[in-house]
Amino acid sequence: EPEVTQTPSHQVTQMGQEVILRCVPISNHLYFYWYRQILGQKVEFLVSFYNNEISEKSEIFDDQFSVERPDGSNFTLKIRSTKLEDSAMYFCASSQGQGENYGYTFGSGTRLTVV
Amino acid sequence: KQEVTQIPAALSVPEGENLVLNCSFTDSAIYNLQWFRQDPGKGLTSLLLIQSSQREQTSGRLNASLDKSSGRSTLYIAASQPGDSATYLCAVRAYSGAGSYQLTFGKGTKLSVIP
Repeated sequence: EPEVTQTPSHQVTQMGQEVILRCVPISNHLYFYWYRQILGQKVEFLVSFYNNEISEKSEIFDDQFSVERPDGSNFTLKIRSTKLEDSAMYFCASSQGQGENYGYTFGSGTRLTVV
Repeated sequence: KQEVTQIPAALSVPEGENLVLNCSFTDSAIYNLQWFRQDPGKGLTSLLLIQSSQREQTSGRLNASLDKSSGRSTLYIAASQPGDSATYLCAVRAYSGAGSYQLTFGKGTKLSVIP
């Protein structure tokens, strides 16, 4: 069964450093998303991406965050200057369409630890 | 703003028992609802997708129902096994404006099946 692949599985970074989280969505999917889950809390929406542009972003997704689809397969989330509160599990997801018969497929996540 | 609540937060049952997990949402104008399974420190595995026009979906020992008018969904697990131990997340997908559709998650029910 097709999978969403995320790398790395775990990243430790110092506060203030830039990190790039990588994702390879399912090849025939058109809509891409980043979500995050702070330990013990709900999974939260960060950003949605379609047709090479952001379609929606949450208030969490401030100027420190950016997304990019640099080629036909990768989808990245960059955090420019990490803060302690950015420590979380980051999930990439993709969807083939927007209709009610389309669900999301999530990757296994990247655990980001900011020290 | 859509809010998703899952009750109970945790549930412990003996192996072989049938059980029901509950999910409620505040805005009934949803496109679909997905149930996910999350193992500790791992990603989200989709279990069932119910379209807004559907009343239930079944996969093996799992059956999910949807009552849009009352803002409720249930996940029924038959003949529970220790391998079913995980956190079960409910997520509703709805139009969020600006041509975008978001998943909103509940906090999950942590299920423990005791051998």
